[in-house]
Amino acid sequence: SQQGEEDPQALSIQEGENATMNCSYKTSINNLQWYRQNSGRGLVHLILIRSNEREKHSGRLRVTLDTSKKSSSLLITASRAADTASYFCATVNILNDMRFGAGTRLTVKP
Amino acid sequence: NAGVMQNPRHLVRRRGQEARLRCSPMKGHSHVYWYRQLPEEGLKFMVYLQKENIIDESGMPKERFSAEFPKEGPSILRIQQVVRGDSAAYFCASSPLQDRARYQETQYFGPGTRLLVL
Repeated sequence: SQQGEEDPQALSIQEGENATMNCSYKTSINNLQWYRQNSGRGLVHLILIRSNEREKHSGRLRVTLDTSKKSSSLLITASRAADTASYFCATVNILNDMRFGAGTRLTVKP
Repeated sequence: NAGVMQNPRHLVRRRGQEARLRCSPMKGHSHVYWYRQLPEEGLKFMVYLQKENIIDESGMPKERFSAEFPKEGPSILRIQQVVRGDSAAYFCASSPLQDRARYQETQYFGPGTRLLVL
């Protein structure tokens, strides 16, 4: 079963705008990860945030984690057409079980 | 509608043995992806298959690893002559025939197979 639930399911924005995707989960986690999938390709790991971390940055990506609300967000700033892809969150619990959400499909229009 | 199934869930092998990991995609799905996850790390893409075709194997080690997705039956990830460094969780995901007009990209993941090489 998919534990992480991303919202929105689909997001369409203009180039240069920021994109925010959210992920909620139900059980305690060890870490949470975000992935990107381009059309016809496998997942690419973007960023991992541990349960004792609240925020992480990587280039134009910013991830936050609120364990009290069991939610995470992925922010892509100054989006580009090349950011068009599906984005997945995955939770890893203390037993190292990994569960994925269904993903958010992001479209960035030039 | 059963989800993606992987078996076995746990597999223990001694160095030099072969490991066979199976993945049954969701009903109606014709695309399968295999990933490897080392402890405390993210998933690493290995291979992408359609029925009877390997589409992208850019993430597969050049030796000892092979994958297939036959016309009938599950997808198999095969690791020959396993070494301790092969110990990891192996996940497969499936997706339906991609409808580019509707930009369907959802992947559905199985629970993974944890391989331990002694």
